Amino acid sequence: EVQLVESGGGLVQPGGSLRLSCAASGFTFINYGMNWVRQTPGKGLEWVSGMSGSGRTTFYADSVKGRFTISRDNSRNTLYLQMNSLRAEDTAVYFCAKERAVSGLVDYWGQGTLVTVSS
Amino acid sequence: VVLTQSPATLSLSPGERATLSCRASQSVSSYLAWYQQKPGQAPRLLIYDASNRATGIPARFSGSGSGTDFTLTISSLEPEDFAVYYCQHRGNWPFTFGPGTKVDIK
Repeated sequence: EVQLVESGGGLVQPGGSLRLSCAASGFTFINYGMNWVRQTPGKGLEWVSGMSGSGRTTFYADSVKGRFTISRDNSRNTLYLQMNSLRAEDTAVYFCAKERAVSGLVDYWGQGTLVTVSS
Repeated sequence: VVLTQSPATLSLSPGERATLSCRASQSVSSYLAWYQQKPGQAPRLLIYDASNRATGIPARFSGSGSGTDFTLTISSLEPEDFAVYYCQHRGNWPFTFGPGTKVDIK
């Protein structure tokens, strides 16, 4: 059974940093691209970042480029999102999401972790 | 690519047919997916590449369309189908989602 468990969310001040983790199990992690998608009541669902199985290919939404860094440790079956220079508009539930064999298509999601950026 | 969904809310009774629309601002070929989301849960993949049902999705869910106009049809609503439905394209980066259609009980 595929499981994706996010951790690392919480309350952080504007300008601060946070690192999200996603522990994956139930599939061969290195074979699949992984993504971070966030959701807010106001802006809906936004695809934040993605990384190929090998880690060689990454992509970022313009809204986070230069501030967020996606990475993965295939030996630990874990995906990360390092978030720096956080802004109020980064407040959202962040989902870890597994690709369904092709880029841009997600077949499994984690339960989400809430990031709140506020002073 | 901007995705527009209509209607914003669809009020129907169990057993009725639901027809949801998604329109893209430019062609996404057939690279369109539909997701269902219930309160407090992550989205669930229903349909990919416009018309292919994901694993375990009941046959009452079907998708159609290509280019810029797409439709998700639920042939006969079950109580568990009342939720929010999102379309999403993967034609080119950035992948985007529509704003959603809420299907609620009439």
